[in-house]
Amino acid sequence: GQSLEQPSEVTAVEGAIVQINCTYQTSGFYGLSWYQQHDGGAPTFLSYNGLDGLEETGRFSSFLSRSDSYGYLLLQELQMKDSASYFCAVRGSNYQLIWGAGTKLIIKP
Amino acid sequence: EAGVVQSPRYKIIEKKQPVAFWCNPISGHNTLYWYLQNLGQGPELLIRYENEEAVDDSQLPKDRFSAERLKGVDSTLKIQPAELGDSAVYLCASSLDSSHEQYFGPGTRLTVT
Repeated sequence: GQSLEQPSEVTAVEGAIVQINCTYQTSGFYGLSWYQQHDGGAPTFLSYNGLDGLEETGRFSSFLSRSDSYGYLLLQELQMKDSASYFCAVRGSNYQLIWGAGTKLIIKP
Repeated sequence: EAGVVQSPRYKIIEKKQPVAFWCNPISGHNTLYWYLQNLGQGPELLIRYENEEAVDDSQLPKDRFSAERLKGVDSTLKIQPAELGDSAVYLCASSLDSSHEQYFGPGTRLTVT
């Protein structure tokens, strides 16, 4: 079967750095994406990795290792507004986007 | 630029009743997706359209769910009859040419009683 594993919850302190891991097992791989979703809101796109390595967008970075079927999202200089759920999603065969269950990020002052 | 528009935002119906959701994607986006999201879980794809064509409806429960995108722009998702287990948020998203970057609407929160 196809599956994505990510921690259900992560807690961090405002101003700190946090890493959210994602491991996947899918038939076919055409890239790993990360989305942010605030409570009651819609998912919004954060980043995409099609090749191995690190992609940086402001305070957010995302990493991919295809040989390890692993990626992570790194959030730096955490702000209270970063409190949300973060989803990794893999584009597998048939271009279907398979989503993880999400990681709830709790930020404490 | 207007985002993805969905209506209604909330819907409460009794089981066995029909319900329909409407979505208008971002102008120029030829790919449209309908997802179902349960609380505490990631979105689950129901159907994906490339223009008017449903290219992936393998996860759509076709005995009660139907969808259409007649002119390749806006789309309607219907459930008939609704069951208690259909209570969820129904999300519509669009993208350019099956791009990895999808834009989501605010969703319709359906409650079946």
